[in-house]
Amino acid sequence: DQQVKQNSPSLSVQEGRISILNCDYTNSMFDYFLWYKKYPAEGPTFLISISSIKDKNEDGRFTVFLNKSAKHLSLHIVPSQPGDSAVYFCAASAFRNNDMRFGAGTRLTVKP
Amino acid sequence: GAGVSQSPSNKVTEKGKDVELRCDPISGHTALYWYRQSLGQGLEFLIYFQGNSAPDKSGLPSDRFSAERTGGSVSTLTIQRTQQEDSAVYLCASSLAAADTQYFGPGTRLTVL
Repeated sequence: DQQVKQNSPSLSVQEGRISILNCDYTNSMFDYFLWYKKYPAEGPTFLISISSIKDKNEDGRFTVFLNKSAKHLSLHIVPSQPGDSAVYFCAASAFRNNDMRFGAGTRLTVKP
Repeated sequence: GAGVSQSPSNKVTEKGKDVELRCDPISGHTALYWYRQSLGQGLEFLIYFQGNSAPDKSGLPSDRFSAERTGGSVSTLTIQRTQQEDSAVYLCASSLAAADTQYFGPGTRLTVL
């Protein structure tokens, strides 16, 4: 039962342009959403989060947008840099509990 | 400070053997999680420890999987009678308290031949 879906397994973007990574969820009880970034041979690292009371959260080059009615969130990276090349995981939980569900990940490649 | 560490980084075993995977969480973190990432899949929740409470084992895929956390610190994930479908990267994470940001270790890549 895939409650969090990242339908694009990969994305390629030119350096300096915007990267948009998408995530859809099915559980309407989810109220806390996170993005993690993972480099090869390393564990995921926390990138940015958003709670359901907001529709946007910004941290430097990273912005997460939440559309609750569409059960959709997206991560925008602008401008994209080659060092952003990694796998990005979307995650969600209900009532900020411990049962966090992850998407399958999207591999972002930023070309110089 | 030191992050979450896991050992071994790689483990190759034969089908039917038992394996033990170790996780050292960040000092002072009361919550510890185990996840599994199979090829092409997202992170699958396995088990969660919080302080001295009974662990949440709801994600363990079968009774061949078990985990312990000794003294509220180090955790060991044990897989008995390993099967080829157990091959995956096993990730451990810890957080200061429940529902706080989780910090992940580098993972253990398990290959069952």
